[in-house]
Amino acid sequence: DADVTQTPRNRITKTGKRIMLECSQTKGHDRMYWYRQDPGLGLRLIYYSFDVKDINKGEISDGYSVSRQAQAKFSLSLESAIPNQTALYFCATSGTSAGWGDTQYFGPGTRLTVL
Amino acid sequence: GDSVTQMEGPVTLSEEAFLTINCTYTATGYPSLFWYVQYPGEGLQLLLKATKADDKGSNKGFEATYRKETTSFHLEKGSVQVSDSAVYFCAVRQYGGSQGNLIFGKGTKLSVKP
Repeated sequence: DADVTQTPRNRITKTGKRIMLECSQTKGHDRMYWYRQDPGLGLRLIYYSFDVKDINKGEISDGYSVSRQAQAKFSLSLESAIPNQTALYFCATSGTSAGWGDTQYFGPGTRLTVL
Repeated sequence: GDSVTQMEGPVTLSEEAFLTINCTYTATGYPSLFWYVQYPGEGLQLLLKATKADDKGSNKGFEATYRKETTSFHLEKGSVQVSDSAVYFCAVRQYGGSQGNLIFGKGTKLSVKP
């Protein structure tokens, strides 16, 4: 089974709808991240969480919110979806080793289309 | 702020050709450097990394050397295969500030033809 899972894998919704994307991990990592990927723009960080009580905004948090329900679960919500939030969304996790070279492990992604 | 610039694609090569994907970065201090690969329909996975100057990361025939003097981390492979077709992302993680989050380049799409 995959270490980092995301649900749903694909979602089509309409403008103004509330959407929740979910991420679960079995790696036992404390740190979790949400990114969005747009063609030609690479990955941009939306929110990150270093433990259940520590949630921080990333580069592009406007229009998004998150919830860290448990160490293993980190959800991303779009309160009122708009078409320019159409993108591929990735969840990632990493450990809390002292070294700054620790790896981030990515889920398979959720393709979201807002009509 | 920190940033990563990598060569724009797409890059199209024939099988067994030599590959170079250029990556330069802007960061203070002593960042760690990464290459991630995204195969079609999948999430990103770590390809290789280097955590200090002159380190060479290597994996699956790919190599990249941390060059602090030129702030570069170019990805190379001597003989590419069709299975190497993917999007490659260079990333930097700064020691200390900004909680050490990853900053990604825009990605370079590689297509290898038989």
